[in-house]
Amino acid sequence: HVQLVQSGAEVKRPGASVKVSCKASGFPFSSYYIHWVRQAPGQGPEWMGNINPSGSSTEYAQKFQGRVTMTRDTSTSTIYMEMRSLTSEDTAIYYCAGPSAGVVYWGQGTLVTVSS
Amino acid sequence: DIQMTQSPSTLSASMGDRVNITCRASQSISRWLAWYQLKPGKAPKLLIYKASSLDSGVPARFSGSGSETDFTLTISSLQPDDFATYYCQQYNLFSPWTFGQGTRVEIK
Repeated sequence: HVQLVQSGAEVKRPGASVKVSCKASGFPFSSYYIHWVRQAPGQGPEWMGNINPSGSSTEYAQKFQGRVTMTRDTSTSTIYMEMRSLTSEDTAIYYCAGPSAGVVYWGQGTLVTVSS
Repeated sequence: DIQMTQSPSTLSASMGDRVNITCRASQSISRWLAWYQLKPGKAPKLLIYKASSLDSGVPARFSGSGSETDFTLTISSLQPDDFATYYCQQYNLFSPWTFGQGTRVEIK
């Protein structure tokens, strides 16, 4: 049974950083790309980037280049997404997701609220 | 990046209606197309993957078709729980994921 379990909700001040985790189980973690997608209030899903199976390579959407870092700990099957210099525009639900055998599995989402 | 054009943006329908939502890719994505149902505060619910495969537990009234650049999600008989927003997503291997603009299905 494939599961992606994310860390809990965060409240941050503008200018701060946030690091969200995503722990995978039930599938060969080291074989699949993991992606991060966010959904801001009233908006559609927005792809942020991905990290390759070994963690040696990442690809970020241009919008997030320089502000987002995705890392992967193969020993604990956990993927991390860190975002810096947060603004109120970054208030959203952040999801990790990964395809396995064609099926796209999603984490439950992590609400990040940026407010002064 | 591959662009996904989804239509209509809003669809008004009645219980029991058959509805179609279409999605067009700017280039061939083979069958790497998923359909999701989104409701406020909930994770995207995968309905269809690989263009036409029904995800586990999804009612059979949902179906998907198409390949290359043109895809369709069909709900054969709308039920109360189906009034929601639907998105297509291309997940072509080795390229950034992109989503359609969404279709809001509302009660007529």
